[in-house]
Amino acid sequence: GIQVEQSPPDLILQEGANSTLRCNFSDSVNNLQWFHQNPWGQLINLFYIPSGTKQNGRLSATTVATERYSLLYISSSQTTDSGVYFCAVTHYKLSFGAGTTVTVRA
Amino acid sequence: DVKVTQSSRYLVKRTGEKVFLECVQDMDHENMFWYRQDPGLGLRLIYFSYDVKMKEKGDIPEGYSVSREKKERFSLILESASTNQTSMYLCASSLDQGNTEAFFGQGTRLTVV
Repeated sequence: GIQVEQSPPDLILQEGANSTLRCNFSDSVNNLQWFHQNPWGQLINLFYIPSGTKQNGRLSATTVATERYSLLYISSSQTTDSGVYFCAVTHYKLSFGAGTTVTVRA
Repeated sequence: DVKVTQSSRYLVKRTGEKVFLECVQDMDHENMFWYRQDPGLGLRLIYFSYDVKMKEKGDIPEGYSVSREKKERFSLILESASTNQTSMYLCASSLDQGNTEAFFGQGTRLTVV
């Protein structure tokens, strides 16, 4: 099956810092999503981004489908950004990366 | 907004019990999925369904079955719960094969004792 790799596995940030999370995938995909898992375990949709660039407030994402990667940018990080960020791709079925755990310190 | 609702947030069951986890979506989505999430193992697909009464095995179907009698409801069944099925269970839905953006429920933390 398709392999989805996220990096880094862990990220510790000072409040106000910027960061980039990466997602690599091993085959062509129909779509790509970024999620944030909140402290209660629910997956919150951040971006549905098969290709191109999207922005939502302090978050933005870019997918380069031909090169099989996507990037999630967090700017001016806040403590509420802490949590696990997942990349997931659809190649017949939805497959997840292992996630990046982000900790933002005040 | 799409709403995916799982019947329980927390559940404690005894070994050997038959357990039903229910998931309902309110947006007429064709596709529904069940995942389990475990520390160090990420999210793994158990079963999915592309239509009523249709089901397909995911990556880890052993010990589970599913039922989809109505479009909006997808049930995960643990025929005889075991302690290794203690986990976080997540249900998701997406519109159809053309639009595959998935939306998740709030999750069910199942403990089997």
